Amino acid sequence: GAGVSQTPSNKVTEKGKYVELRCDPISGHTALYWYRQSLGQGPEFLIYFQGTGAADDSGLPNDRFFAVRPEGSVSTLKIQRTERGDSAVYLCASSLHPSGGYTFGSGTRLTVV
Amino acid sequence: GESVGLHLPTLSVQEGDNSIINCAYSNSASDYFIWYKQESGKGPQFIIDIRSNMDKRQGQRVTVLLNKTVKHLSLQIAATQPGDSAVYFCAELNAGGTSYGKLTFGQGTILTVHP
Repeated sequence: GAGVSQTPSNKVTEKGKYVELRCDPISGHTALYWYRQSLGQGPEFLIYFQGTGAADDSGLPNDRFFAVRPEGSVSTLKIQRTERGDSAVYLCASSLHPSGGYTFGSGTRLTVV
Repeated sequence: GESVGLHLPTLSVQEGDNSIINCAYSNSASDYFIWYKQESGKGPQFIIDIRSNMDKRQGQRVTVLLNKTVKHLSLQIAATQPGDSAVYFCAELNAGGTSYGKLTFGQGTILTVHP
């Protein structure tokens, strides 16, 4: 596609539920990133994929968070047992190479009630 | 970068004025810096970047200055327009080691341009 596509754009879920957030990167971009942005703050790194493998998952806050990219294209961020503190905008970005040229999607706004 | 919760720095300018947005970065090993513009409900949009072997880079209406001695970046916008109103973030990339590919964002600045 022309840009990075994220679905859904908005997600409201109840505390304790499981959610999946999807990212469809720019075609051919081998590097894919997930960031989380809380209100009034800059995006914070969660995880970076190079191809199918997670090259750096040091930003995942705890083991409730998990991400996959099984075919090296679409990625899914999975959050188990959601908590109200997980409410944020989850951003995905992709690039041809991790040295630059990142394009961000519009994000998924997650609200845990 | 450090976060300050909801109290982002703000800059208000008149249309046609020049704007200067500043950013302090944290990692002296960072070798690539990017300025992003973020409008409400959208993801960060690339504006301009600079490598650590440069101290100035110019784009269309924008200039980025890098001072490695004091770890400071600035974004200058010439002839600011109402469409420039947004939150601006600087980001640094450490292109080596285990953090390769990870952007660290600085504190955002809210720019408001009055017609």
